[in-house]
Amino acid sequence: NAGVTQTPKFRVLKTGQSMTLLCAQDMNHEYMYWYRQDPGMGLRLIHYSVGEGTTAKGEVPDGYNVSRLKKQNFLLGLESAAPSQTSVYFCASRPGTTENTEAFFGQGTRLTVV
Amino acid sequence: GQQVMQIPQYQHVQEGEDFTTYCNSSTTLSNIQWYKQRPGGHPVFLIQLVKSGEVKKQKRLTFQFGEAKKNSSLHITATQTTDVGTYFCAGRRWVQFYFGTGTSLTVIP
Repeated sequence: NAGVTQTPKFRVLKTGQSMTLLCAQDMNHEYMYWYRQDPGMGLRLIHYSVGEGTTAKGEVPDGYNVSRLKKQNFLLGLESAAPSQTSVYFCASRPGTTENTEAFFGQGTRLTVV
Repeated sequence: GQQVMQIPQYQHVQEGEDFTTYCNSSTTLSNIQWYKQRPGGHPVFLIQLVKSGEVKKQKRLTFQFGEAKKNSSLHITATQTTDVGTYFCAGRRWVQFYFGTGTSLTVIP
């Protein structure tokens, strides 16, 4: 039972480089989320999706793009990485059938931009 | 800005002491969830509170949702070293969950 899988787990980028973080879930969940975690800031929502083909902005969307072409995958893209995007990124998913459901998190991706 | 605040940011306790973290929202929440993140790990769901004034217990952990549904608390009785980690509250508005800033708990043996 894989749950939520994030790849890669670690990455170092140079300023200006681009990359895509992949989140895959095998629980047939409707809702998926991307968060970033920084010291003292908790988890801040970057983008989210309520179903295949839909995406929406969260609290801190600038500098990121997302796509949900398949229900099980939610991709987070950085077109031109900046040092301010150094963070730990978490993907989460939850069922969309009821309002009150727990979120399941991936293991996280630690990204460093130099 | 941050919609859900937690205090304290850090807490060090001696093993056996009690611990409480408080979560406050600027707006009314539909429900509130609590998560625990072990050092180096990912957040794991603990519990959900939905009703105004609701109190739930899980062994040594007691969770409370305020009457106005704008605040919540987590109380741990007689902490153990296994309680080490960061505790987050998460308030739901529509389909979004806004996480609090977290409280990092250190338990000194």
